[in-house]
Amino acid sequence: DVVMTQTPVSLSLAIGQPASISCKSSQSLLGTSGKTFLNWILQRPGQSPKRLIYQVSKLYSEVPDRFSGSGSETEFTLKISRVEAEDLGVYYCWQGTHFPYTFGAGTKLELK
Amino acid sequence: QVKLLQSGAALVKPGASVKMSCKASGYTFTDYWVSWVKQSHGKSLEWIGEIYPNSGATNFNEKFKGKATLTVDKSTSTAYMELSRLTSEDSAIYYCTRGSDWGQGVMVTVSS
Repeated sequence: DVVMTQTPVSLSLAIGQPASISCKSSQSLLGTSGKTFLNWILQRPGQSPKRLIYQVSKLYSEVPDRFSGSGSETEFTLKISRVEAEDLGVYYCWQGTHFPYTFGAGTKLELK
Repeated sequence: QVKLLQSGAALVKPGASVKMSCKASGYTFTDYWVSWVKQSHGKSLEWIGEIYPNSGATNFNEKFKGKATLTVDKSTSTAYMELSRLTSEDSAIYYCTRGSDWGQGVMVTVSS
């Protein structure tokens, strides 16, 4: 199975500060279609996951543009340009290129 | 808008089975794979498997073969997951997702 390694485990930031989360995969996530199925989701406390980014860098329409995704092959990054209160929760990367799909262990964003 | 409405929480005895539902609306149900994901208490996410409603084709995480059965009812745009021979290890929240959208989750508690 593809292992997804997220760092850091947790982040404590003040509102307005930038955030960066790394996600590394044990195999390349570039699929035979030429697409890379690396996604980011946010799980706020007590809620189900919500979509943020798909195929490495594509934001869903409702996601604020302070979020961005980048990377290729095995190394990916989620960035928040300026953290806001609504951004707190656990961020997960997950891959949909190889079966079984797998998730990172999560990065908990807390507000300082 | 897209909604995935899951059935309510379940308390089941060890050794029994449980069947949960995921009713889709706001999109063409037969056009998208529906995945099921397990989240054990306070932990990360595990992909169980997926089903393509149009054909009933499935893909499974080997870990959940024999544990989970996936079905759909196209007439009601509903996906189902049945978990069998339940143990305490199956106590978790189970989500359905079409990749971009997630249900609210079903909490399953296995206890005598």
